[in-house]
Amino acid sequence: GESVGLHLPTLSVQEGDNSIINCAYSNSASDYFIWYKQESGKGPQFIIDIRSNMDKRQGQRVTVLLNKTVKHLSLQIAATQPGDSAVYFCAENSGAGGYNKLIFGAGTRLAVHP
Amino acid sequence: DTAVSQTPKYLVTQMGNDKSIKCEQNLGHDTMYWYKQDSKKFLKIMFSYNNKELIINETVPNRFSPKSPDKAHLNLHINSLELGDSAVYFCASSQIYGESTIYFGEGSWLTVV
Repeated sequence: GESVGLHLPTLSVQEGDNSIINCAYSNSASDYFIWYKQESGKGPQFIIDIRSNMDKRQGQRVTVLLNKTVKHLSLQIAATQPGDSAVYFCAENSGAGGYNKLIFGAGTRLAVHP
Repeated sequence: DTAVSQTPKYLVTQMGNDKSIKCEQNLGHDTMYWYKQDSKKFLKIMFSYNNKELIINETVPNRFSPKSPDKAHLNLHINSLELGDSAVYFCASSQIYGESTIYFGEGSWLTVV
């Protein structure tokens, strides 16, 4: 069946360090992946996405890597800041007929310490 | 300007009651969704509507009835509330087809006592 999961439920980092959040997915047919950030008391916020025809995509301080061979996705945050503290979700779009249907992973809590 | 707005933000109600959560998006999107987030932060899709038409129904109990009066609104009505319905419900919207960003509202915290 479809599933998207995360290896680490909690990640603690020092401010200024780089953070890496990992995600495994099981549906090899998924062709679009998204990372969301959810701050306490708020809704998930889009961070970055990647299509299956790419293996790397960069944004501002964030990079997503996709390894289709092992069905693994990662989010790298450079120079982590206190404002990055949140729960991060990976999601795969598995909608049939072209419609969106996001399957979310369990989430990783990122705690940034000064 | 809030892109996806939902009300109420907090709702505490007794078992057996009927309640509604309203959602509106001003992004001009064709598709709207309801997601449920449980106490362990797990997010799961419930419904998806495209231009007022139901696309996805993830075997949600029929006590849950979404209604879309127009493509900018998707309301969620819940009958005979149960303790297990306590969760955060997120409304979201996107363009019609895949590989487009899904934007979420701020959530509605439902507590059934």
